[in-house]
Amino acid sequence: EIVMTQSPAALSVSPGDRATLSCRASHSIGSNLAWYQQKPGQAPRLLIYFASTRATGVPARFSGSGSGTEFTLTISSLQSDDFATYYCQQYNTLIAFGQGTRLDIK
Amino acid sequence: QVQLLQSGAEVKKPGSSIKVSCESSGDTFNTFSTSGLNWVRQAPGQGLEWVGGIVPFSGTTDYAHKFQGRVTISADESTSTAYMELSGLKSEDTAMYYCARVVGATTSSVLDIWGQGTMVTVSS
Repeated sequence: EIVMTQSPAALSVSPGDRATLSCRASHSIGSNLAWYQQKPGQAPRLLIYFASTRATGVPARFSGSGSGTEFTLTISSLQSDDFATYYCQQYNTLIAFGQGTRLDIK
Repeated sequence: QVQLLQSGAEVKKPGSSIKVSCESSGDTFNTFSTSGLNWVRQAPGQGLEWVGGIVPFSGTTDYAHKFQGRVTISADESTSTAYMELSGLKSEDTAMYYCARVVGATTSSVLDIWGQGTMVTVSS
């Protein structure tokens, strides 16, 4: 079973600043990693897949990187609409989610 | 464009079972049968937890180890509807249950379209 660990659990950032979210896999998953954004009361929304490919309609300020066991989601120049919870998900072996990182306004 | 419409909220007694449905609409290219369909749940204030999935055209199912023996996922290609049945309900099963379309004919891939969620409350 692959376990996904996200850090930090919560992050306070000012609008216009950069946010860096981390995700670690317990075993190598290649590039089989996706990132999702979830706002309160809404279903998750796909942002990134194959570690670094933006989904349709996702702004260029969202970028993903990494491979193997270490992954990063970077949001440059945070907008008010970006404050939400972010989850990583591996799909190399079945599916597993990280516990999420809540991004708050500082 | 494809939308996933789930059945409504339910309140169940401990020990009972529940069956949640997820209907695909707007699927011009009939991707329902050739894509996977997964179920993910989220307890109040908690993170996302994968329950399992199905590839309708093959009937192949995969379940998270935690739910094996208690969950059954099925699909009816004629109505483009998938179902998740969970038995032996406990209070810890209280959660929002989401269905989500999987990219590709597999259960292990990216989840690109999500249903609106079905709130299941288990209470005596």
